[in-house]
Amino acid sequence: DTAVSQTPKYLVTQMGNDKSIKCEQNLGHDTMYWYKQDSKKFLKIMFSYNNKELIINETVPNRFSPKSPDKAHLNLHINSLELGDSAVYFCASSPISGSYNEQFFGPGTRLTVL
Amino acid sequence: GESVGLHLPTLSVQEGDNSIINCAYSNSASDYFIWYKQESGKGPQFIIDIRSNMDKRQGQRVTVLLNKTVKHLSLQIAATQPGDSAVYFCAEKGGGSYIPTFGRGTSLIVHP
Repeated sequence: DTAVSQTPKYLVTQMGNDKSIKCEQNLGHDTMYWYKQDSKKFLKIMFSYNNKELIINETVPNRFSPKSPDKAHLNLHINSLELGDSAVYFCASSPISGSYNEQFFGPGTRLTVL
Repeated sequence: GESVGLHLPTLSVQEGDNSIINCAYSNSASDYFIWYKQESGKGPQFIIDIRSNMDKRQGQRVTVLLNKTVKHLSLQIAATQPGDSAVYFCAEKGGGSYIPTFGRGTSLIVHP
């Protein structure tokens, strides 16, 4: 069974559109994250939520807004999409923020903005 | 800011050889290190971790070595197989940071 799932896996859209990516984890973890991976495979943290509360918000345009309806879900909404938003977005979770625990990653969502 | 980096972007090996992937980190306050493997089209997957109070940790066919003096981390893969072909990331955590910082990644290519 999938531990961290994301939908959709692929998303192709036009500039200026608004889109959402959904993430769910069934591991019972308290902390969830969103990462952006560029074409050179560099992984950059965007947001981190602990028990539905935002704890990390790196320098990300305010067009990106995370929403956590409960601690098993962390969705990412993107307004006014730009060409530079094209990347693979990964959701991840870990048991407790700040502890000696690895993160569990989802399969990724490849976003292409035309 | 401090960062985690990798010496080699691509490593090519023959099946059966041992592979060594290196990682340099600069945050001396880091106390937890993790290696991830990312196969094509998938998310990163945990391989092995090590805390700063250790200098070596072994798993199944993998060994992580930590040299805090020179701030260096390495991942050794014994008897490399084609299924080991992937991008490998080191990540470090600590010094008051809630989340790990990822290095650039090394692409390991295993030739049959």
